[in-house]
Amino acid sequence: DARVTQTPRHKVTEMGQEVTMRCQPILGHNTVFWYRQTMMQGLELLAYFRNRAPLDDSGMPKDRFSAEMPDATLATLKIQPSEPRDSAVYFCASGFQGELFFGEGSRLTVL
Amino acid sequence: AQSVTQLDSQVPVFEEAPVELRCNYSSSVSVYLFWYVQYPNQGLQLLLKYLSGSTLVESINGFEAEFNKSQTSFHLRKPSVHISDTAEYFCAVLAPLNAGNNRKLIWGLGTSLAVNP
Repeated sequence: DARVTQTPRHKVTEMGQEVTMRCQPILGHNTVFWYRQTMMQGLELLAYFRNRAPLDDSGMPKDRFSAEMPDATLATLKIQPSEPRDSAVYFCASGFQGELFFGEGSRLTVL
Repeated sequence: AQSVTQLDSQVPVFEEAPVELRCNYSSSVSVYLFWYVQYPNQGLQLLLKYLSGSTLVESINGFEAEFNKSQTSFHLRKPSVHISDTAEYFCAVLAPLNAGNNRKLIWGLGTSLAVNP
């Protein structure tokens, strides 16, 4: 049963610490997305990749966030340094043509 | 550019009652339309989609949505809801392939459906 896998599922950290979230997209999907979901802002697109190349990261705060796809089986989202306002659920999704498969999310709490 | 408006942020309904979740979009080009569902503490899942052809599309769990080009709407309906349908529902649009390389889903803010016994 193919699925998008995200780690960690939960992360509690202190302000200023580095946070790395990982995602294993579904094999064969050439488009990978990172979303952030909060009660206040809803679902926000942070970045997405096609064939591992970044296509759009305009939704990311550039000074502290970075997203990469070192290979086709791994996408990473890094926050350094983290801030309390980064607390949210971060979703990775893969797919094509608007048909996305989402992971279960990484719930980040920054104290 | 495209935009999506989900007209209701919350919809409470009793079990076995009918429900309609409204979605309107704005676009200068034809779009593909999607409904996603998010159950508590889970990621979003594709519920149904309209790409072309019949304007009425159905999901496997009894939901249906109708594409209305003149009204620029894609409302989601179910004739009889269950407790298990309690979830957040998101409407989304996507520009077609000929709209350029940097296509991405444009999301509504979501509608929280609460089905009460």
